[in-house]
Amino acid sequence: KAGVTQTPRYLIKTRGQQVTLSCSPISGHRSVSWYQQTPGQGLQFLFEYFSETQRNKGNFPGRFSGRQFSNSRSEMNVSTLELGDSALYLCASSPGATSGTDTQYFGPGTRLTVL
Amino acid sequence: AQSVTQLGSHVSVSEGALVLLRCNYSSSVPPYLFWYVQYPNQGLQLLLKYTSAATLVKGINGFEAEFKKSETSFHLTKPSAHMSDAAEYFCAVSLTGGFKTIFGAGTRLFVKA
Repeated sequence: KAGVTQTPRYLIKTRGQQVTLSCSPISGHRSVSWYQQTPGQGLQFLFEYFSETQRNKGNFPGRFSGRQFSNSRSEMNVSTLELGDSALYLCASSPGATSGTDTQYFGPGTRLTVL
Repeated sequence: AQSVTQLGSHVSVSEGALVLLRCNYSSSVPPYLFWYVQYPNQGLQLLLKYTSAATLVKGINGFEAEFKKSETSFHLTKPSAHMSDAAEYFCAVSLTGGFKTIFGAGTRLFVKA
């Protein structure tokens, strides 16, 4: 089975721009979660989607948004980029049908650098 | 609300020595607990998971962790460190119906030859 894939792997943007990151989950997985990883803050939960519905979200400003498509692929968007948005953005998928306590399978991440 | 605290941002051991990475959690209801490992430039990989079936959980690569409710701890151990164990380790907690996993700050393990 193919693992979780994230595109692009690396991205350089300037302040004020917007960016869209993509995540393709493992086949059959319907839950996708997004995390921001930085040296100072560690792994912080952004949001989780299941069957195109957002079930939970973390404490991030509205500039961070996401969506999930009917094939379970997910995108996250960050508008009006700030220097502090530079981070590794990780996507994780899981079967996710019930309790939300499934093992998550992580992609390699997208490294976003904001200049 | 649930939370996770990992004691020690960096741990250094000699090859062949015991590995002990500490994790304490806070949760008002029985939690699910996880240990993940992250190698450089990679995503996270599950080492082991506690789901209340057994307090001693065995994972991959010789790691194990013991759930101690009285101490609210879930420490990760390995009897003998190998150079390939050098990585960052994350403890995490999630709750049934929460649809959210909270990660600790991580502990970077260094293994000396």
